Amino acid sequence: EAGVAQSPRYKIIEKRQSVAFWCNPISGHATLYWYQQILGQGPKLLIQFQNNGVVDDSQLPKDRFSAERLKGVDSTLKIQPAKLEDSAVYLCASSEEVGNYGYTFGSGTRLTVV
Amino acid sequence: GNSVTQMEGPVTLSEEAFLTINCTYTATGYPSLFWYVQYPGEGLQLLLKATKADDKGSNKGFEATYRKETTSFHLEKGSVQVSDSAVYFCALRVSYIPTFGRGTSLIVHP
Repeated sequence: EAGVAQSPRYKIIEKRQSVAFWCNPISGHATLYWYQQILGQGPKLLIQFQNNGVVDDSQLPKDRFSAERLKGVDSTLKIQPAKLEDSAVYLCASSEEVGNYGYTFGSGTRLTVV
Repeated sequence: GNSVTQMEGPVTLSEEAFLTINCTYTATGYPSLFWYVQYPGEGLQLLLKATKADDKGSNKGFEATYRKETTSFHLEKGSVQVSDSAVYFCALRVSYIPTFGRGTSLIVHP
């Protein structure tokens, strides 16, 4: 089966600019996650969708970050405006709705804010 | 809340040495436990999992046993290879909420 697709692979922007990341999960996976992975740390959950509804966004900095999942399939994560500390790899993952089968991760988008 | 604690890295071993990476957890409810591996420049890949107490997950020579009494899920491999060099993440999942450890870097020398 096709994996989780993410784009772009790399992005370099200046602080205060805006950026958007895109994710296409595995077909049929109802649950979609966005993680932020800062260098040397484990992934930190930003937001979790179940179909097109938000399950958990308690760690999403809502003053600058936003995410949507239209029609319960693809998702976009946006940062506006970006700060230097947003430099990280942004990982998208998806999983089946039922059961505990773990997650399938995309390759991530490496964001550098200068 | 839920949390995962992994041993500090990097772990540096010679090829064919025995590997143990410690992982302990705290969780409400009954978590499923996972080990993920991240090779340089790549996303995380599921290495193995265990969904209930005393289950043993295994894959590619790696093993981990779900120990409820010690709340642990230590990763082991009898003979590591240079190609096993990567960062290993212990994780748990309760309901739909995932929690990852900070990761342990493994460096294997020829």
